[in-house]
Amino acid sequence: DIQMTQSPSSLSASVGDRVTITCQASQDINNYLNWYHQKPGKAPKLLIYDASNLETGVPSRFNGSGSGTVFTFTISSLQPEDIATYYCQQYDNLPPIIFGQGTRLEIK
Amino acid sequence: QVQLVESGGGVVQPGRSLRLSCAASGFTFSTYPIHWVRQAPGKGLEWVALISYDGNNKYYADSVKGRFTISRDNSKNTLYLQMNSLSADDAAIYYCARGTYRLLDFWGQGTLVTVSS
Repeated sequence: DIQMTQSPSSLSASVGDRVTITCQASQDINNYLNWYHQKPGKAPKLLIYDASNLETGVPSRFNGSGSGTVFTFTISSLQPEDIATYYCQQYDNLPPIIFGQGTRLEIK
Repeated sequence: QVQLVESGGGVVQPGRSLRLSCAASGFTFSTYPIHWVRQAPGKGLEWVALISYDGNNKYYADSVKGRFTISRDNSKNTLYLQMNSLSADDAAIYYCARGTYRLLDFWGQGTLVTVSS
């Protein structure tokens, strides 16, 4: 199975900061990567699909990029409501679907 | 609006069985693949199973293969997860999620399964 390595595992930033999370695949997965966040006590929500496409209704401060084995998720200007755990998810080789380990984002 | 409501969770003894349900509304259930994903307390997301829109194709994580069975009744807009031979490792919140084979675009709120003697 393809392994996904997500970093960092936790992150503390100030409101207005630019925040970046990285996901690395153990082999080429083209652009077959999605990003979710999960607010405390809530279900996960899809933010970015196919590495760089913004899901309908998701704020434009969220951005995804990358292809092959290295992918990046960015929040251009951190807002208080962005506090959540962020997960990448690959689908190049089904089954299984693989999630990254998660990045817990906190406000400084 | 799209709704997925899981039910059937609870406390079960090790080695016993449990069946989860996921009731769908607000979209054409019979045209979507549906996933089960679980999350152990304080841990990350683990994909469990996927069923095709018509129920003819099913996929499982290695950790549940041979013990769990995913099924659906499109006439009732309902998804199921039959879980047998449960162990402490299966304790988690179980989410159903609508999507495609490649992504999960809408999730239910989950149902908690506790495995304890």
